[in-house]
Amino acid sequence: NAGVTQTPKFQVLKTGQSMTLQCAQDMNHNSMYWYRQDPGMGLRLIYYSASEGTTDKGEVPNGYNVSRLNKREFSLRLESAAPSQTSVYFCASTTSGASYEQYFGPGTRLTVT
Amino acid sequence: AQSVTQPDIHITVSEGASLELRCNYSYGATPYLFWYVQSPGQGLQLLLKYFSGDTLVQGIKGFEAEFKRSQSSFNLRKPSVHWSDAAEYFCAVGSYSGGGADGLTFGKGTHLIIQP
Repeated sequence: NAGVTQTPKFQVLKTGQSMTLQCAQDMNHNSMYWYRQDPGMGLRLIYYSASEGTTDKGEVPNGYNVSRLNKREFSLRLESAAPSQTSVYFCASTTSGASYEQYFGPGTRLTVT
Repeated sequence: AQSVTQPDIHITVSEGASLELRCNYSYGATPYLFWYVQSPGQGLQLLLKYFSGDTLVQGIKGFEAEFKRSQSSFNLRKPSVHWSDAAEYFCAVGSYSGGGADGLTFGKGTHLIIQP
């Protein structure tokens, strides 16, 4: 049981390049999330998918798109990377019910030059 | 919209001393509250959570937190810290709608330094 996995772990992009961050969970969770973490800012929600087939914007969605590929996988795409998107990106998942505890992946450190 | 305030950006505590990290939240309904810990270069680990019931909740690694509705607070405590407790601590509040869990709103974190 790997929990939440993210690929890649590190990435360097040039301004204007595109890339997709991958996230998968093997806990049969319904809901999945993408956060970004910047120094002194805590974690901020980018997009989430409360259930398979649905996606919604979070606090900071501009410049990103997401795809809930199936129940296990939730990807985050940067179409045209900007230096302001330099950050650490975390994927998380949770199941519906009384708990709502979110399980986090190890993160992807992205640098845009 | 919900919000979380962690008033202390840095806290320095001597090893063996007690610890209290402050968290205040703003949320329109009964909150779902969490404390997470992050060691350098690592992901987030859940320390404890509150949904309902007993307002004093116990977590892992000897941590506890007390929910005080009248003060909109959810402070984290530990009676005796260890050097391995040095990390970043995040308080978070959960938002939920009819569709399910909408996501967590995090505070900006408190960086805990342990002095020998």
